[in-house]
Amino acid sequence: DAGITQSPRHKVTETGTPVTLRCHQTENHRYMYWYRQDPGHGLRLIHYSYGVKDTDKGEVSDGYSVSRSKTEDFLLTLESATSSQTSVYFCAIRGTEGPTQYFGPGTRLLVL
Amino acid sequence: DAKTTQPPSMDCAEGRAANLPCNHSTISGNEYVYWYRQIHSQGPQYIIHGLKNNETNEMASLIITEDRKSSTLILPHATLRDTAVYYCIVREGTGGTSYGKLTFGQGTILTVHP
Repeated sequence: DAGITQSPRHKVTETGTPVTLRCHQTENHRYMYWYRQDPGHGLRLIHYSYGVKDTDKGEVSDGYSVSRSKTEDFLLTLESATSSQTSVYFCAIRGTEGPTQYFGPGTRLLVL
Repeated sequence: DAKTTQPPSMDCAEGRAANLPCNHSTISGNEYVYWYRQIHSQGPQYIIHGLKNNETNEMASLIITEDRKSSTLILPHATLRDTAVYYCIVREGTGGTSYGKLTFGQGTILTVHP
């Protein structure tokens, strides 16, 4: 599991409420990523981070924001959740030695 | 990153070798071939990667053709726990402008049966 945890693992929320998902790593890796996975779309990159306070957008970033105030934590926030954000969210980490990424166990989010 | 083509599904008998093909005819010289798998409801798991030489680790072997336009992932003795979606991904090595992003296609659903 490469020292990655995600919390919560499951969440049900209502449309319009804010939601924050947490990714925590114990590997001190520089790069961290948030993906979402939906049927028929595979995994799509939402945001990524290349260091503390250094983040950038991926291909499906609308409606999401991220923060990384320390190396080990990467937070994904849905400011006002919508039903289209119902998905499984995966965090991944990568060291500087190569492009291999290691994924967390995922968070299942249901927005009603 | 180069596009890959994989068969949508394959079957394999338990204990036999599973050979999963991947075509990547537009691969460029600095791009690696990566294999990941995703067991139901879990996060993707790294399996193996290579540039042009064949590679082997405790999980699998990767055979890359001499022209690098295709590759085969080999699970030498498949078990029921190897049932998963297998993704072949081609991307450049460390550096470049793609910030390490992995582009997952639809992959191959491998079903290992008793």
